[in-house]
Amino acid sequence: QKEVEQNSGPLSVPEGAIASLNCTYSDRGSQSFFWYRQYSGKSPELIMSIYSNGDKEDGRFTAQLNKASQYVSLLIRDSQPSDSATYLCAVTIIGNEKLTFGTGTRLTIIP
Amino acid sequence: GAVVSQHPSRVICKSGTSVKIECRSLDFQATTMFWYRQFPKQSLMLMATSNEGSKATYEQGVEKDKFLINHASLTLSTLTVTSAHPEDSSFYICSALAGDTDTQYFGPGTRLTVL
Repeated sequence: QKEVEQNSGPLSVPEGAIASLNCTYSDRGSQSFFWYRQYSGKSPELIMSIYSNGDKEDGRFTAQLNKASQYVSLLIRDSQPSDSATYLCAVTIIGNEKLTFGTGTRLTIIP
Repeated sequence: GAVVSQHPSRVICKSGTSVKIECRSLDFQATTMFWYRQFPKQSLMLMATSNEGSKATYEQGVEKDKFLINHASLTLSTLTVTSAHPEDSSFYICSALAGDTDTQYFGPGTRLTVL
């Protein structure tokens, strides 16, 4: 079992709709959770970080964390074509600064 | 805030030469930086963890004598690819750890092509 799992996609969402990206993790010692966006040929860009159970909103983005279910998600409201990218879920484990990445979900917003 | 730069953004070199890549945290101090490599359509692969003032910690399978890392200050880490070969051609990305938030911020990457 992979430590961080994401559906590789591609996930296609109409423009203006809500895109929902999901991630599960296996280590219950995971303490910090991140969503990065990576455009083709570019480096990852931090979208959201979340550390405690519940929702965290930033503009059109909402991260949701459920530690009991070992599940973290990212919602993108009012999706725009510029949101088309690969979204990487990453976690850190207590006592370890290294990020463990999922394989990423490729999102395409259809105009 | 939390800007990380890399230089150069792109480099082409001949086989057998060495290439140095710089990673700088521009608006924060980073005692820890990381170096990644990414091949086309593949995931990021962590190569090493760079700690200011101490030796880097390399991931399994990464040759420390080939990929020299120096973290001489709280804002600068360098990666030197020694005796580069075509199979070293890749996208090299650094990140800097903002210690107060436990968050890694990535540089824009360096695309290395070895002829």
